[in-house]
Amino acid sequence: QVQLQESGPGLVNPSETLSLTCTVSGASVTSGSHFWSWIRQPPGKRLEWIGYISNSESTKYNPSLQSRVTISVDTSKNQFSLQLTSMTAADTAMYYCATGSCHSGRCYEPWGWGPGALVTVSS
Amino acid sequence: EIVLTQSPGTLSLSPGERATLSCRASQSIAGNYLAWFQHKPGQGPRCLVYGASTRGNGIPDRFSGSGSGTDFTLTISRLEPEDFAVYYCQHYGYSPYTFGQGTRLDFK
Repeated sequence: QVQLQESGPGLVNPSETLSLTCTVSGASVTSGSHFWSWIRQPPGKRLEWIGYISNSESTKYNPSLQSRVTISVDTSKNQFSLQLTSMTAADTAMYYCATGSCHSGRCYEPWGWGPGALVTVSS
Repeated sequence: EIVLTQSPGTLSLSPGERATLSCRASQSIAGNYLAWFQHKPGQGPRCLVYGASTRGNGIPDRFSGSGSGTDFTLTISRLEPEDFAVYYCQHYGYSPYTFGQGTRLDFK
């Protein structure tokens, strides 16, 4: 059973960079049959897909965030991470890491989620 | 970008009743790459249905998904107390993968 757990700062200053980590158990982040993604939900708003990484290096990002987002893996710790630059109050949200399956270059629905980490942007 | 609109916004029902939740897409979702999630406070969303109509692992058969193209439905045949939560649809056909705004299922 794949389990995920987010970790990182609960408070970020405006204009700074957010760094979040997702620790994975029950699967390897190097697996070619999984993708590793980040999804967020601002207060009172719908879920927003941020992006994912698969095969340790192939990334796909939401065009609305692409200029500020980097998703990467740390194979030594079996973790993957999110970096989001130039944070503003609009980036205040619950951030989830999630995983799903990929086959023949196509990735599907996120069937495994972490419990989420609340990130507030404020000075 | 595909915009998903869910209705109703809130559904107030009692245990034992039938719930019907709708998700309408702004354009046709090729391959029926549409999933439904259940979301409870303090937890990550739980995938109930994928491919519009296939139940996820361990999902009770009172949950069923249907539809194609732009109109999709999640039906809960007989509500159990643990089913009262927020439900989201999501398409994963192509980037960006978007979500509906959610339907809140409340106790009547």
